[in-house]
Amino acid sequence: QSALTQPPAASGSPGQSVTISCTGSSSDVGTYNYVSWYQQHPGRAPQLMIYEVSKRPSGVPDRFSGSKSGNTASLTVSGLQAEDEADYFCISYAGSRDWVFGGGTKLTVL
Amino acid sequence: QVQLVQSGAEVKEPGASVKVSCKASGYTFTGLFIHWARQAPGHGLECMGLINPSDGSTTFAQKFQGRVTLTRDTSTSTVYMELSSLISDDTAVYYCARGNSYAYDYWGQGTLVTVSS
Repeated sequence: QSALTQPPAASGSPGQSVTISCTGSSSDVGTYNYVSWYQQHPGRAPQLMIYEVSKRPSGVPDRFSGSKSGNTASLTVSGLQAEDEADYFCISYAGSRDWVFGGGTKLTVL
Repeated sequence: QVQLVQSGAEVKEPGASVKVSCKASGYTFTGLFIHWARQAPGHGLECMGLINPSDGSTTFAQKFQGRVTLTRDTSTSTVYMELSSLISDDTAVYYCARGNSYAYDYWGQGTLVTVSS
């Protein structure tokens, strides 16, 4: 059982927006602004998409955005494209050199 | 450019140990943590622990304490992850990743470890 809770699946049509949630606790997501999001295509290593809740690394399209409210962080993918179909998971810092992971969400582009 | 290159796939028998390497390049090796995580078939990622290449200090997830050893060789910018007393449930892809701004910004390509008799 993962420390962070994500919906197992999400979907949207091309051009639409979809939001994936990541719910933790006051010990991790609720306290630290160190939530990150990753995209993973089958058979590939994860790729960092969002760090520090809402910052995008160089090269990540601005269609990807992150936010946080209380103990829940969210990843929004706007203008869905076929290439966005992948697994997405969140990670939060939890203090004392401890990180907690989400179980992952499979995003399907219909 | 930053790269983390891991060693190749391994097949081990139950009870054995496995040692996976992660060679870093393109940045100052001692400046950032290296984390390890694994992904069992059809499952999500699981945090294992981290090492500070600067001083060799380590932190482990409770589940892996006593069974995982992380070491580093600063002369070759390489981190090693050794997992002992292997069981079938340890069959997974093992990843190293660089820690930066409390995120994992670069990942190795993954190493498949298969535990089977």
